[in-house]
Amino acid sequence: GAGVSQSPSNKVTEKGKDVELRCDPISGHTALYWYRQRLGQGLEFLIYFQGNSAPDKSGLPSDRFSAERTGESVSTLTIQRTQQEDSAVYLCASSLRAQYTDTQYFGPGTRLTVL
Amino acid sequence: GQQVMQIPQYQHVQEGEDFTTYCNSSTTLSNIQWYKQRPGGHPVFLIQLVKSGEVKKQKRLTFQFGEAKKNSSLHITATQTTDVGTYFCAGKINLGGTALIFGKGTTLSVSS
Repeated sequence: GAGVSQSPSNKVTEKGKDVELRCDPISGHTALYWYRQRLGQGLEFLIYFQGNSAPDKSGLPSDRFSAERTGESVSTLTIQRTQQEDSAVYLCASSLRAQYTDTQYFGPGTRLTVL
Repeated sequence: GQQVMQIPQYQHVQEGEDFTTYCNSSTTLSNIQWYKQRPGGHPVFLIQLVKSGEVKKQKRLTFQFGEAKKNSSLHITATQTTDVGTYFCAGKINLGGTALIFGKGTTLSVSS
């Protein structure tokens, strides 16, 4: 079946604008994760969803960042009043459940550039 | 916060040489997962270790989980140019939150 998809693949925005990033998880996967990866850096956990609730939002860097999920489907990550330091690749992953032993399947990411 | 440390950050080898990356945590991990990210790509799951002292092999790759479940290693024998990429470990801290904690990764380059 289809893997995790993300849109857009690239987004260039001006400082101060809001952006919305979208993630479509693998069908049937109840858990969904958002990560940020700055150039040449590791994966920075942002938030994860079990169904449409977010038990762990500990990684969101500021109140400019928010995310929501509709049922066990699409999730959007919203960044308000973008700053240049928000420039990164935003990766979404899904897993069958939210068990730590479950494999996470990653999407191709959205490359965000804030000018 | 809790961290999973990986060393080295970068490693360059000649094709045919061996390569090892290490993953360390100050606290006990419930499990370790390893992922590989090719240049320009996204992380792809390689393997998971759960038991203390566990060793698993995938062709030229050998994965180990320490007896104390605080460290892990990935060893590649006789590297090939197709091994190029960044290798991430990820683990769950026993008493921590619910998400996996990823290390910063080791980027491997291989010259032929």
